[in-house]
Amino acid sequence: QSALTQPASVSGSPGQSISIACTGTSSDAGGYNSVSWYQQHPGKAPKLMIYEVSHRPSGVSDRFSGSKSVNTASLTISGLQADDEADYYCSSYTRSSTLVFGGGTKLTVL
Amino acid sequence: QVQLVESGGSVVQPARSLRLSCAASGFTLGNYAMYWVRQAPGKGLEWVAGISFDGTTKYYADSVKGRLTISRDNSKNTLYLQVNSLRAEDTAIYYCARDGNWNYYPMFWYFDLWGRGTLVTVSS
Repeated sequence: QSALTQPASVSGSPGQSISIACTGTSSDAGGYNSVSWYQQHPGKAPKLMIYEVSHRPSGVSDRFSGSKSVNTASLTISGLQADDEADYYCSSYTRSSTLVFGGGTKLTVL
Repeated sequence: QVQLVESGGSVVQPARSLRLSCAASGFTLGNYAMYWVRQAPGKGLEWVAGISFDGTTKYYADSVKGRLTISRDNSKNTLYLQVNSLRAEDTAIYYCARDGNWNYYPMFWYFDLWGRGTLVTVSS
């Protein structure tokens, strides 16, 4: 199972909005609404930010939103803050009854 | 306090075996499907295994099938991962993670609670 495709890095200034794309196939991200996003700060465990494409867990800021079009899911962060600087991973359930992660995107807040 | 705590990681020689544990507290492990995810040093996340709430159904990544075995003891609120024939590429932090569905089934395949991880280093 190939990993989902994410950009290696994105950057933005405080207050700006950025989006991170996560591209898969019809066998994973495009075929299911089981796309999730995780934030990971250095040395810490991942944290769930978005599940089932666009749902936010309780306690996650509404500055984080998710969407999907065909085989590509996206995470958008609005009103960038310094603490948003982290690695972000998408994941998707697959047709093989497994789970695949994206390679991860490093977000830099300038 | 709702948490997962992994243990069992260590420095191990190639070809040896290791069993990792994940102790759940603050919630009933038996209500949830569970997973193991690993992260090699400086690398991304890799899902390796999942298990249904009652342990009857198990799922594995192709890359580890046949060498890793996931299991659980709900009476002890503990999840396990047996790793056999260890290789250098198994060197990673191993995280246990909880499924987002609190009501047994189906598995939702997203992880709403993670442990801090336990480090496995395979080296001679």
